[in-house]
Amino acid sequence: AQKVTQAQTEISVVEKEDVTLDCVYETRDTTYYLFWYKQPPSGELVFLIRRNSFDEQNEISGRYSWNFQKSTSSFNFTITASQVVDSAVYFCALSENSGNTPLVFGKGTRLSVIA
Amino acid sequence: NAGVTQTPKFRVLKTGQSMTLLCAQDMNHEYMYWYRQDPGMGLRLIHYSVGEGTTAKGEVPDGYNVSRLKKQNFLLGLESAAPSQTSVYFCASSYSFSARETQYFGPGTRLLVL
Repeated sequence: AQKVTQAQTEISVVEKEDVTLDCVYETRDTTYYLFWYKQPPSGELVFLIRRNSFDEQNEISGRYSWNFQKSTSSFNFTITASQVVDSAVYFCALSENSGNTPLVFGKGTRLSVIA
Repeated sequence: NAGVTQTPKFRVLKTGQSMTLLCAQDMNHEYMYWYRQDPGMGLRLIHYSVGEGTTAKGEVPDGYNVSRLKKQNFLLGLESAAPSQTSVYFCASSYSFSARETQYFGPGTRLLVL
């Protein structure tokens, strides 16, 4: 069965620090997709990235980067030079090709960036 | 293009009352989903629909019913609300059911059951 674990419940950093949010997943499928969503204080869910299981290249988008490692079943998210606007709850999610549940979410990590 | 919209944004119910949450999308997506979000629990799938007139149960379907009479709308009903259904409800849609498809979420409905 698919499962996503975000062990960090809450993280606080000072502005301009780098921060990494951990995501560990479990799946028996060889084909699967991993996602990150951001939920700012306003409450909506914003899609950040999708990565398939065959593409282990790291991805960088501005101050955001993602490190996908199949060997450790991890899909970690790093924010470089954090800003107050990065304060949000971040969710990692997994979708299996053969899964019965379309998308399984981790419990989220609340990031607070302090000025 | 409004994307995914939800009505209402906030509602207070008394135990035993009924209500319907409306989700609408204008992206011509086939698939629609209802989730609930509780503190420390992430998002959990309640029901989903793979097309007009079809629905299926998710992880936590008890106490809820759904209907998809039109492709663009997905309704979530609570027949007899209970305090345990106090939550934030999110609707989402996607183009297909493929694992690779991104789900796009509405702004959420905050429900308080007293």
